[in-house]
Amino acid sequence: EAGVTQSPTHLIKTRGQQATLRCSPISGHTSVYWYQQALGLGLQFLLWYDEGEERNRGNFPPRFSGRQFPNYSSELNVNALELEDSALYLCASRGGGAVYNSPLHFGNGTRLTVT
Amino acid sequence: RKEVEQDPGPFNVPEGATVAFNCTYSNSASQSFFWYRQDCRKEPKLLMSVYSSGNEDGRFTAQLNRASQYISLLIRDSKLSDSATYLCVVNRDDTGKLIFGQGTTLQVKP
Repeated sequence: EAGVTQSPTHLIKTRGQQATLRCSPISGHTSVYWYQQALGLGLQFLLWYDEGEERNRGNFPPRFSGRQFPNYSSELNVNALELEDSALYLCASRGGGAVYNSPLHFGNGTRLTVT
Repeated sequence: RKEVEQDPGPFNVPEGATVAFNCTYSNSASQSFFWYRQDCRKEPKLLMSVYSSGNEDGRFTAQLNRASQYISLLIRDSKLSDSATYLCVVNRDDTGKLIFGQGTTLQVKP
């Protein structure tokens, strides 16, 4: 069974540009979560999508946005990039709906560097 | 106060030692709990879920104390390969958010 896949692995952008990160969940998983992990810090919850809808978001500015497609893959967009957006962005999936006691399965992450 | 708190460590222990980590959570609506392991610059990987009655997986034992709102992870007979950061994760069923602790770093020395 294929795990969660993320692309690209690395992304280098300059301040003010936009970044798009992609995630494909495990087959059968309808919930996708995005987390940001800055160097030396913990995972900060960004966004949660389930069945194509945004269900919850963390304490991030509106320039962090995303969407979930009908095939449950997801995209994270970061507009007007700032230097402090440099981080590892992790996508995770799990079964949606009532399966809230199931764990998350993570992709390898996208390392975004803003210069 | 953070919603999920862990002692960041590092915990430096010799091979073969037993080591325990605690994690406290502040929201009583939390219903599901997990321990993840994260190696340097890699993605977190599920170590084990934590059940109300406590559970064991080989050298690893997880406990949950709902009254005091903490979970624990016990590692027996530590191996060099256990060196990693251990993340406590709490699932808020009322919001669907999974909140990660900052992690506890373990270094097992020969």
